[in-house]
Amino acid sequence: QVQLQESGPGRVKPSQTLSLTCTVSGGSITSGGYYWSWIRQHPGKGLEWIGYISYSGSTSYNPSLTGRLTISVDPPKNQFSLELSSVTAADTAVYYCAREADYYDRSDYYWGRAFDIWGQGTMVTVSS
Amino acid sequence: SSELTQDPAVSVALGQTVRITCQGDSLRSYHANWYQQKPGQAPVVVFYGKNNRPSGIPDRFSGSRSGNTASLTITGAQAEDEADYYCNSRDSSGNHLLFGGGTKLTVL
Repeated sequence: QVQLQESGPGRVKPSQTLSLTCTVSGGSITSGGYYWSWIRQHPGKGLEWIGYISYSGSTSYNPSLTGRLTISVDPPKNQFSLELSSVTAADTAVYYCAREADYYDRSDYYWGRAFDIWGQGTMVTVSS
Repeated sequence: SSELTQDPAVSVALGQTVRITCQGDSLRSYHANWYQQKPGQAPVVVFYGKNNRPSGIPDRFSGSRSGNTASLTITGAQAEDEADYYCNSRDSSGNHLLFGGGTKLTVL
């Protein structure tokens, strides 16, 4: 059973870089058909997709964060990571890592993806 | 379009049926997925795509789509269904992901 676990500092100072790691256990991060995402949730607010890295290493980022964001993968450690630079108080949130999995729906010949596994989330506060 | 719109709050009487909707232009091309989030917990997928329910999710949860609107229907809502529900899909370009703003479901 695949599990995800976020790790990283709970507090980051303004203008610095927020770095988080997600460790994947119970399966390989290089298995085909999976996309490894970061999602955040500001206090009392909804979910915001940050970006993903695919099993092949390609990335896609939320346009609102492009320029500050890097998502990378470390296959030997079975981990993927998030780096968000120049943080402000607006980046204070619970950060989740999640796996998005391909699926095929034969009824309408549709290839889709859905988040099937989530980490427990880690709270990051941006404060001096 | 780069938005998925949900009603902020919906209520349902215990045992009754409730529909939670998600609107967005991209839903004309892409199916929505639905996640349930209870306080202090990570989201859990309860329905995805045209007609897929993960194992362990009660069959009272179902999904549908019409035009630019996707819906999650709970038939015979239970007290344990009280939670926030989020839809997710792709934007119109297909290159990025979106979440709806979430709907807080209250079971009366």
